[in-house]
Amino acid sequence: DAGITQSPRHKVTETGTPVTLRCHQTENHRYMYWYRQDPGHGLRLIHYSYGVKDTDKGEVSDGYSVSRSKTEDFLLTLESATSSQTSVYFCAISGPDRDVYGYTFGSGTRLTVV
Amino acid sequence: GEDVEQSLFLSVREGDSSVINCTYTDSSSTYLYWYKQEPGAGLQLLTYIFSNMDMKQDQRLTVLLNKKDKHLSLRIADTQTGDSAIYFCAESYTGRRALTFGSGTRLQVQP
Repeated sequence: DAGITQSPRHKVTETGTPVTLRCHQTENHRYMYWYRQDPGHGLRLIHYSYGVKDTDKGEVSDGYSVSRSKTEDFLLTLESATSSQTSVYFCAISGPDRDVYGYTFGSGTRLTVV
Repeated sequence: GEDVEQSLFLSVREGDSSVINCTYTDSSSTYLYWYKQEPGAGLQLLTYIFSNMDMKQDQRLTVLLNKKDKHLSLRIADTQTGDSAIYFCAESYTGRRALTFGSGTRLQVQP
């Protein structure tokens, strides 16, 4: 999607290893979000950010941490990956009119923990 | 509490109308959204409706909102094979930290 990129697109990692996913935006938007998508659960919020160094937990934050040292980058870290964290991870961004225009999503990162 | 529910699957024939339904529990919702996800891609915003509206039409898409029953629907007229995707409804209200999504409805369009 224009203005937002996620890396890597695919990753396979071993149980117990740390993993960092990156979300990069060029829109200078204030709000950034990490969701995970699992069959039957839709999208569930992991963490979100409302500015540089300002982050907060979502509904499924256990086992995840985030950092935002620059407006354009929002990193999601799995501190010690588990098989239950196998999922597709989406980053999203929104501007000041987020309640009107919703979010713009990245293309996702498919993470497999073996 | 926050809960958004959708049926999981819908199959229609090409050229027919599709109606995807969604129910939500939060009466404070101000905006409701429909997103489309094609295979291997992120979610793309299709349309949205403000909570003081009953209906919104945008080309082949019609959104109906029944606030009393907390029911939202998306009608796609003249459904095409390219409409095959997963459709998510989502809700928001001012001051909430993030959108709440339903589990998605997979639309299959048969030629």
